[in-house]
Amino acid sequence: GAGVSQTPSNKVTEKGKYVELRCDPISGHTALYWYRQSLGQGPEFLIYFQGTGAADDSGLPNDRFFAVRPEGSVSTLKIQRTERGDSAVYLCASSLRGTGSYNEQFFGPGTRLTVL
Amino acid sequence: QQQVKQSPQSLIVQKGGISIINCAYENTAFDYFPWYQQFPGKGPALLIAIRPDVSEKKEGRFTISFNKSAKQFSLHIMDSQPGDSATYFCAASRVFYGGSQGNLIFGKGTKLSVKP
Repeated sequence: GAGVSQTPSNKVTEKGKYVELRCDPISGHTALYWYRQSLGQGPEFLIYFQGTGAADDSGLPNDRFFAVRPEGSVSTLKIQRTERGDSAVYLCASSLRGTGSYNEQFFGPGTRLTVL
Repeated sequence: QQQVKQSPQSLIVQKGGISIINCAYENTAFDYFPWYQQFPGKGPALLIAIRPDVSEKKEGRFTISFNKSAKQFSLHIMDSQPGDSATYFCAASRVFYGGSQGNLIFGKGTKLSVKP
């Protein structure tokens, strides 16, 4: 069965440019999470979608970061006016939503973003 | 403020030995404590998880010990193998009313090397 996929696997861009990172969750998973992992650190939460809506975007570092999930499946993380400090691996995870249960978050392989 | 503190940062163990990684948390509202394993170039993968209503959970060679009063939990890997060499992350999250799971808050990771 297909897991979470992310494209591109690597993205190199120049400071000030706009980038889009895509996440395809596991089919049927209604919850989708974006995390950012800097070198030598644990993943840090960015935003969480339940269906099409952003249930929690408290982890987005500033208004240059934005994410959408228009049809409740694929999600796109958008970064405007990229800065060198945005360089990191961006991870996407998905999970089933279950009432009263603890649902495993399945992670994709990540997109490595490098801002020159 | 680091809500989940993990130690040690790195660990070297001989094949067949026991690997022990420790984590401490601050937020008493956390009610789900997973451990993730990450290989280079891959996303984190769930290894084992525990809820605060039990003090220990064992799955094969992997055991979580949980101390609610001390707000600490640890991962024990018995009979460590070279294939266990990876980075291990502890994490914590909440499950909200209605069953939706909050984002994971990760420790900084422990790089485990198992020598043959």
